[in-house]
Amino acid sequence: NAGVTQTPKFRVLKTGQSMTLLCAQDMNHEYMYWYRQDPGMGLRLIHYSVGEGTTAKGEVPDGYNVSRLKKQNFLLGLESAAPSQTSVYFCASSYSVGVREAFFGQGTRLTVV
Amino acid sequence: EDKVVQSPLSLVVHEGDTVTLNCSYEVTNFRSLLWYKQEKKAPTFLFMLTSSGIEKKSGRLSSILDKKELFSILNITATQTGDSAVYLCAGGNQGAQKLVFGQGTRLTINP
Repeated sequence: NAGVTQTPKFRVLKTGQSMTLLCAQDMNHEYMYWYRQDPGMGLRLIHYSVGEGTTAKGEVPDGYNVSRLKKQNFLLGLESAAPSQTSVYFCASSYSVGVREAFFGQGTRLTVV
Repeated sequence: EDKVVQSPLSLVVHEGDTVTLNCSYEVTNFRSLLWYKQEKKAPTFLFMLTSSGIEKKSGRLSSILDKKELFSILNITATQTGDSAVYLCAGGNQGAQKLVFGQGTRLTINP
């Protein structure tokens, strides 16, 4: 049982380039989340989804877009990468915040130069 | 806006000491408080608390929630070097179905 899988694990981008991070979960969870983690900042919510075809903004959505075309996949896009988007990105999925814990992927380390 | 604040941000103790980590929250439609341990990569789940005053325990770790005062504590007794990690707490907003995390507490256990 793979759980939550993120690809890629590492990436270096030049300023202005675009990329998509893929998150896939095999637990049939409705809810999926994208967080970024910077030193001393904990996990900050970028965007999240409460079901297939729906997305919502989190605390720090600017510069990112997301899509949830299939229930098991949640994509995070950077249209024009900036150095401020250098971070570690975590995807998570959940059955329900009041019932079970959220499960995390292993993270993607992104560097924008 | 939902907010979770942890304290202290950093803590250094000696092996064998007992530590208490704090988490206060202001979360709309609050449903649950979760604790995670993060070593090098992904956070790993420790506890989920939904009711006030009921302690949850797992070995040397325990946690309790106070929904009146809007805080939770995580206790670790007889600390070991393997307890060194960042400890994260998160508040669950059931209406929006989102988890809001605090900044984390970096715990270092010296031998």
